[in-house]
Amino acid sequence: GQNIDQPTEMTATEGAIVQINCTYQTSGFNGLFWYQQHAGEAPTFLSYNVLDGLEEKGRFSSFLSRSKGYSYLLLKELQMKDSASYLCAVKDSNYQLIWGAGTKLIIKP
Amino acid sequence: GAVVSQHPSRVICKSGTSVKIECRSLDFQATTMFWYRQFPKQSLMLMATSNEGSKATYEQGVEKDKFLINHASLTLSTLTVTSAHPEDSSFYICSASDRPEGGELFFGEGSRLTVL
Repeated sequence: GQNIDQPTEMTATEGAIVQINCTYQTSGFNGLFWYQQHAGEAPTFLSYNVLDGLEEKGRFSSFLSRSKGYSYLLLKELQMKDSASYLCAVKDSNYQLIWGAGTKLIIKP
Repeated sequence: GAVVSQHPSRVICKSGTSVKIECRSLDFQATTMFWYRQFPKQSLMLMATSNEGSKATYEQGVEKDKFLINHASLTLSTLTVTSAHPEDSSFYICSASDRPEGGELFFGEGSRLTVL
């Protein structure tokens, strides 16, 4: 079966750095996405990785290793507004998007 | 990025009534739109894939006669929850891509349905 694993919840301090990991087992791979979702709102796009390596976009970076079936989202200089759920999703060989359950990130002052 | 608009954002209805939710792609043509449901503290659950001009493809366990999906044009898909019951209360979200086989999904704002 297809599976996306990410931690259920993480806590970090304002101003610090946090890394949210995602491992996946899918039938084929056509890209990995990270989305941010605030409570009661729809997800918003953060990043897309299809090749191995690190993609940096401001305070957020996303890393992919296809051979290991692994990705992480790195958030730097954490702000209180970063408190949200972070969803990892993978497009399989049929271009179907497989979603992880999401990681709830709690930022403390 | 592309914009997807969803309406209404909140709806409260009585048990047994039907509710229609609209999803529009405002600045691109979406041949494929996706409907998700999300219960509190849970991840997105894909309900169906809506293809313009053809019948929707429903995920296992989703009743197609209860959740009617119509994708009449390249910019509009509708989800109708028929004979709604309290257990249908949830957050319904649509999404679309301007490039279904790659690139990001653009999400509507979501519709919070409460069935009394």
